[in-house]
Amino acid sequence: EIVLTQSPGTLSLSPGERATLSCRASQSVSSNYLAWYQQKPGQAPRLLIYGASSRATGIPDRFSGSGSGTDFTLTISRLEPEDFAVYYCQQYGNLPWTFGQGTKVEIK
Amino acid sequence: QVQLQESGPGLVKPSETLSLTCTVSGASVTSGSYYWSWIRQPPGKGLEWIGYLYYSGSTNYNPSLKSRATISVDTSRNQLSLKLSSVTAADTAVYYCAREPNGLDVWGQGTTVTVSS
Repeated sequence: EIVLTQSPGTLSLSPGERATLSCRASQSVSSNYLAWYQQKPGQAPRLLIYGASSRATGIPDRFSGSGSGTDFTLTISRLEPEDFAVYYCQQYGNLPWTFGQGTKVEIK
Repeated sequence: QVQLQESGPGLVKPSETLSLTCTVSGASVTSGSYYWSWIRQPPGKGLEWIGYLYYSGSTNYNPSLKSRATISVDTSRNQLSLKLSSVTAADTAVYYCAREPNGLDVWGQGTTVTVSS
C-alpha cells in the first residue's frame, strides 16, 4: 500500500498569500495518478487537480499542481477567503487507492 | 449533469451489516469507463477509500476492511450499493459514493452512519 504523507499539518496564512502544500508518497505513484481535493466543513471533497498537474473543470487557475514519482505539490498562488479549507492528496495509480491525512489551510 | 445521492439507515447495531445505496442520475453506472467508488470519513478524521465497482462489473476493495465490504449494482435502478458486515464503532463515519474517470470528479453529499447499540 502506498502511504501518502502531507505536510505541513496546518498552514496559517493571510488572504493574498501563496500556499504551498506537499504530498510525499512511500513509493512511486504509477503514471503520476495523483489528485488533490478541497474539503470544507460539512461538505463533500471537491476535485481540484488530477494527473498531478491537470486542473479539474471549473477550478480557478490560482490552483496548480506539480511533481512526479514520489513528490507532489499543490500551490495556491493567492489565497482567496473561500480557499481556507482542508486539502487532501490521493493516489489512484496503485491499489488500494489511498489518501493523505490532509493539510488544513487556516486564516492567520 | 451527473448527480449522486447516498441513502440508508443512520444507525446500525454492532455486529450487524451496514447497507447503503447510491442513486446515480445523469449517467449510467454500466457505461462510460468509470469507476464508482465508496469512500468514508470518520468524525474529525481523514478519507478512506473502501472500494470500487468498474462499469464492467468488476470490483476491488481496500484490504484494510478484511473482506467485510461488498459493492454491487442494480442496473434497473441505476444504483450502487455497499454492504459492510460485522460493523463496530470504528465503522462510524460519513459514507460517500463518487465517480472516478481520472480523480474522483463527482461526489454525493454523504450519509452519516453511526454504529451503536
